[in-house]
Amino acid sequence: DTEVTQTPKHLVMGMTNKKSLKCEQHMGHRAMYWYKQKAKKPPELMFVYSYEKLSINESVPSRFSPECPNSSLLNLHLHALQPEDSALYLCASSQEGLYGYTFGSGTRLTVV
Amino acid sequence: GENVEQHPSTLSVQEGDSAVIKCTYSDSASNYFPWYKQELGKGPQLIIDIRSNVGEKKDQRIAVTLNKTAKHFSLHITETQPEDSAVYFCAASKGGSYIPTFGRGTSLIVHP
Repeated sequence: DTEVTQTPKHLVMGMTNKKSLKCEQHMGHRAMYWYKQKAKKPPELMFVYSYEKLSINESVPSRFSPECPNSSLLNLHLHALQPEDSALYLCASSQEGLYGYTFGSGTRLTVV
Repeated sequence: GENVEQHPSTLSVQEGDSAVIKCTYSDSASNYFPWYKQELGKGPQLIIDIRSNVGEKKDQRIAVTLNKTAKHFSLHITETQPEDSAVYFCAASKGGSYIPTFGRGTSLIVHP
């Protein structure tokens, strides 16, 4: 299995809703990431998990809450989002060392 | 921190032509340079990478060159096909736990 699987593919939520994005990989990668991508822009780092511990939080607002239940799963809990949070949310994983990322296909999030 | 400049922002070619995308980086300690292809509605996909101990790497119609002295690296696509149409991102990293810095992306359009 050489994929990162993200669910759901599309999500529309109101500003008072609570929802979660899910990410799964079975490649044995010990680093997992959440990125946010706006149209025509490069991915923007949100969080990094290394060996299931949060190692980087790029000053992301608390309405985004990451969770790493085990070495294969990564969640992003969403609460009280704003319309400007609408974007493509990408999960990625990687091996240690000089290796690239394997990205999932993303969740297209629309906040109404 | 690292700064990666990518040019051009848009590249339009005829099928069968070659395409070249160029990136420069600022941190001489960067030693890993991946390239990602992002098709519409999908996550970025690693297509080729190069490490600083190598000057050139090829994979079928795709090649990457690295000039460490000048701190620039380039993606070369030969015999372009319509399915090569996508946004391409370069990145630079120091590897290990260092997070890559992405270029701003190049939208490649291959006309049949």
